[in-house]
Amino acid sequence: GAGVSQSPSNKVTEKGKDVELRCDPISGHTALYWYRQSLGQGLEFLIYFQGNSAPDKSGLPSDRFSAERTGGSVSTLTIQRTQQEDSAVYLCASSALAGGVLQFFGPGTRLTVL
Amino acid sequence: RKEVEQDPGPFNVPEGATVAFNCTYSNSASQSFFWYRQDCRKEPKLLMSVYSSGNEDGRFTAQLNRASQYISLLIRDSKLSDSATYLCVVNSAKNTDKLIFGTGTRLQVFP
Repeated sequence: GAGVSQSPSNKVTEKGKDVELRCDPISGHTALYWYRQSLGQGLEFLIYFQGNSAPDKSGLPSDRFSAERTGGSVSTLTIQRTQQEDSAVYLCASSALAGGVLQFFGPGTRLTVL
Repeated sequence: RKEVEQDPGPFNVPEGATVAFNCTYSNSASQSFFWYRQDCRKEPKLLMSVYSSGNEDGRFTAQLNRASQYISLLIRDSKLSDSATYLCVVNSAKNTDKLIFGTGTRLQVFP
């Protein structure tokens, strides 16, 4: 596709349920990032994949959060036993370059935990 | 202290005005600097990279002051369409592939 796509665009779930968020990066981009943005807050780094290297998981807020990237392309962010504080917009970005440069963001998934 | 700090604004300016935003960063070892723009309920989009020598792109000028650890963005001849939140972004010194985003400065240009 022409850009980064994410699905679903909106997700409403009940506290305690698991959710999966999907990101399709720009074809050929080796770097993929997950961020989240709470209302009125800046972007919070969650996890970073670069090629075949082990992902940088240093931003994951708890062990309820995990992510994988299959075949160096599509990535899934999973949140288990969701809590109300998990409500945020989850943004995915991809880049063809190292060094964090030229990141192209997807439209995000707006997660609401009731 | 936050790694990247910005005045949240809002900056309310008339069309045609010149407006400047500053941003400070805490880690002197950071090497890459950017300004992103984020429209309401949209994803951030790269506006411009910031180079040591300063750089200009049309009405936008970005400058870096390493000694004082701040970055600036100057917008000349403001347009209504410039209304957005401007995010200052710095790469992490510990992991250069990781970007640290400021919380943004909101700009509102009025007719």
